[in-house]
Amino acid sequence: NAGVMQNPRHLVRRRGQEARLRCSPMKGHSHVYWYRQLPEEGLKFMVYLQKENIIDESGMPKERFSAEFPKEGPSILRIQQVVRGDSAAYFCASSPTPNSPLHFGNGTRLTVT
Amino acid sequence: GNSVTQMEGPVTLSEEAFLTINCTYTATGYPSLFWYVQYPGEGLQLLLKATKADDKGSNKGFEATYRKETTSFHLEKGSVQVSDSAVYFCALSERETSGSRLTFGEGTQLTVNP
Repeated sequence: NAGVMQNPRHLVRRRGQEARLRCSPMKGHSHVYWYRQLPEEGLKFMVYLQKENIIDESGMPKERFSAEFPKEGPSILRIQQVVRGDSAAYFCASSPTPNSPLHFGNGTRLTVT
Repeated sequence: GNSVTQMEGPVTLSEEAFLTINCTYTATGYPSLFWYVQYPGEGLQLLLKATKADDKGSNKGFEATYRKETTSFHLEKGSVQVSDSAVYFCALSERETSGSRLTFGEGTQLTVNP
């Protein structure tokens, strides 16, 4: 059973470009969470999604950031017009039910130059 | 709101030394508590958990006891190994918040020298 798969592992973007981060949850998991880890800091919750629904986006910046989890395919975290402050590791986690422990992917490390 | 405070790192120990990483929390309800470990370049792995007061979580020689009276969940190991070198995160989740959403501490870097 493959774990949570994130790609790419590393992503470099110039300021103003768009970044698209993908997350395929574990098989049978329909709950997806995105977290951001800034350098030397802990993980901060961004958004919680179920298939085709955003359940909780209270941790998402109000502008430039969006997330989706379509009926088919991976969850996507999209960052438009990236700035240097967006440089971080972005982790996806999934669970089979709302109150199950989370399984994390290995993250996407975004560098904005 | 919810918050988790961990002892500041980094922590450097010799092999076979005793480990304690302190963790205290603030929560409005009755949270579940977790310790996650992150090895270099990897995601977080669940190390252990406790869901109610006085529960003890344990795994791979690590232990932590849910202490409601002191709002703490300190991580301990009697004899650390070089392979335990990693970043350790304390976290909590509450039923009142959405799903399995976790609030994390800042993380504690542990280095174990041979």
